[in-house]
Amino acid sequence: QSALTQPPSASGSPGQSVTISCTGTSSDVGGYNYVSWFQQHPGKAPKLMIYEVTKRPSGVPDRFSGSKSGNTASLTVSGLQAEDEADYYCSSYVGSGHVVFGGGTKLTVL
Amino acid sequence: EVQLVESGGGLVQPGGSLRLSCVVSGLTVRSNDMSWVRQAPGKGLQWVAAIYSGGDTYYADSVRGRFTISRDISKNTLYLQMNSLRPEDTAVYYCARGLANLNYWGQGTLVTVSS
Repeated sequence: QSALTQPPSASGSPGQSVTISCTGTSSDVGGYNYVSWFQQHPGKAPKLMIYEVTKRPSGVPDRFSGSKSGNTASLTVSGLQAEDEADYYCSSYVGSGHVVFGGGTKLTVL
Repeated sequence: EVQLVESGGGLVQPGGSLRLSCVVSGLTVRSNDMSWVRQAPGKGLQWVAAIYSGGDTYYADSVRGRFTISRDISKNTLYLQMNSLRPEDTAVYYCARGLANLNYWGQGTLVTVSS
C-alpha cells in the first residue's frame, strides 16, 4: 500500500487560511470515509485533529476543518495562529485492518 | 483520563529481538481496537500493526512475519514483539487507541537497531 501524497510544505500569515491536500486512490481516500488528520509538534506525539473526514474531536478548535472530494482529502486551518505551526499528517483506512499515512506537510506560520 | 505509556525501547543489534509494552489506563484494551505506529528519525508516520477488540491482528507488509502484536487483558497492556530486527526498523514506536480513528496516543519509545 503506497503512502498518501501530501505537499511537503505549506505556509500562511497569522489570520489567514491555509489548505493542505492529501491525495490517494479509490482504494483508500476515495473508498472510505475514514480519513483523519494529525498535528505533530517537534518531539511530541501526534494529536488527532479531524476524523471521519469532517469530524472534530472535543477540544479541537473549529478553525480546523476537513473535507473530501473524490480521491483527495483536505485540511483547512482558518485564522492561522502561531501555535498552528507543526507537521500535519493525513491517514486513511484501506480495508482489511490496514491504515496508510501521508508523507506529512510542514506548516509554517510566517 | 486516558493514558498510554510505552516502554521497552533501546539499542539492539541487527537480527535481535525486543518487546515493547504499552500500559493503558482510562480505557480497556479488551474493548478497543489498538494499534502500533512508528516514526523513523526525521521521517513520517507509518502504521505497523493493529489488534481488533475481538482479537484479530493485522500487520504492515514490512513487518509481517517478524512482529507480533498482542495484549494482556488482566494487565490492560498492549505488546509488540519484534524479532529479526533490521536497521530500517529504527524509529520511535507509538501505541494508539483505535485503527481508523487513532484518538489517543502514547509518548513513544525509541528503538535503535545498529551494530
